[in-house]
Amino acid sequence: NAGVTQTPKFRVLKTGQSMTLLCAQDMNHEYMYWYRQDPGMGLRLIHYSVGEGTTAKGEVPDGYNVSRLKKQNFLLGLESAAPSQTSVYFCASSINTYEQYFGPGTRLTVT
Amino acid sequence: AQSVTQLDSQVPVFEEAPVELRCNYSSSVSVYLFWYVQYPNQGLQLLLKYLSGSTLVKGINGFEAEFNKSQTSFHLRKPSVHISDTAEYFCAVSKLIQGAQKLVFGQGTRLTINP
Repeated sequence: NAGVTQTPKFRVLKTGQSMTLLCAQDMNHEYMYWYRQDPGMGLRLIHYSVGEGTTAKGEVPDGYNVSRLKKQNFLLGLESAAPSQTSVYFCASSINTYEQYFGPGTRLTVT
Repeated sequence: AQSVTQLDSQVPVFEEAPVELRCNYSSSVSVYLFWYVQYPNQGLQLLLKYLSGSTLVKGINGFEAEFNKSQTSFHLRKPSVHISDTAEYFCAVSKLIQGAQKLVFGQGTRLTINP
């Protein structure tokens, strides 16, 4: 099993550009999450999903959108990137056993 | 609101020395507590978790943590560290909100092992 994978690993965007980050899991987990990690702030929840076709806002949702069209995939979109969105983005999934499995991360720089 | 405070942003120790990484949480309800480790340029990996039962929890790589309800703490310990333990460690508390488990993370503690 690959676990949780994220695409791409690195990306540089210019202010105003858009992009989509892809998260895929092969563990048949119902729950999926997107976090951002910034120095000294730990991880903060952006959006999450409790099942296919459902999404909900987390702690810092502004400027992001998500979709969960298939159970195994959770997409994070930035419609108009801003420098404040420079961060490392982590996807995670869980089967409601309180243990979340994390992907390797995507390092995004917005100039 | 639940929150997690990791009392040290950086902890340098010598190899084979013991280490304690401190974590305090605030919550008015029962909590589930976790420690995650992040090795350089990698994602987070679960070290250990407390859901219920014994307050002393053993995890991977020789780490353990003790849940102390009266002091609202969940400190992580290892009796003898190795160079390979160099990483960032995150304490987290979980709460079920609107049908989903949500983790609230502390700010992280960077553990540096010196030879």
